[in-house]
Amino acid sequence: QVQLVQSAAEVKKPGASVKVSCKASGYAFISNGFSWVRQAPGQGLEWMGWISPYNYKTYYAQKFHDRVTMTTDTSTSTVYMELRSLRYDDTAVYYCARDRRDYVDYWGQGTLVTVSS
Amino acid sequence: SFELTQPPSVSVSPGQTARITCSGDVLANQYVYWYQQKPGQAPVLVIYHGNERPSEIPERFSGSSSGTTVTLTISGVQTEDEADYYCQSPDSRGSLVFGTGTKLTVL
Repeated sequence: QVQLVQSAAEVKKPGASVKVSCKASGYAFISNGFSWVRQAPGQGLEWMGWISPYNYKTYYAQKFHDRVTMTTDTSTSTVYMELRSLRYDDTAVYYCARDRRDYVDYWGQGTLVTVSS
Repeated sequence: SFELTQPPSVSVSPGQTARITCSGDVLANQYVYWYQQKPGQAPVLVIYHGNERPSEIPERFSGSSSGTTVTLTISGVQTEDEADYYCQSPDSRGSLVFGTGTKLTVL
């Protein structure tokens, strides 16, 4: 069965960077892209961007394009999302999800990133 | 990009039918996808391509569309269906746009 397992929660100071990992299993890793979606406390879902493990292409939401980098390691079936210059309002649960081009079908369990001084 | 608008909350009694709407100008020409999110959990896909259900999703979940409004219908609501529900549609460049979310309360 498809599983996406994300890295543990992180606490970061304002201005720092965070890198969240997402390890996939149960299917052919390069056959689908990955989206990253975040959810601030008590808020809705916000799409951040997409990466293809097949050709390493990325596409970032305009809001994040200057602060986010998504990468992949096909040898370990893992994708990564790095967010730089963290602000207090970046405090959120960050999800990876398997992308089916127009939607996502499987989600990781989420990684809580807390930005606090 | 575009916006998808949902009612903040919907309340029903067990066994009744719940209808959650999602409105947006682009929806007349695009599929909508629906996700269920229970407290403290990741979202789960419940409807794709407008009215298709993943195999593990009960038959009581269905989707429909009329013009620029799409509806998620849950027939015979059960207490376990209490959750937040989000609609989603892709924009022309492939970004995923999520609706504002609806909290379903089963009284």
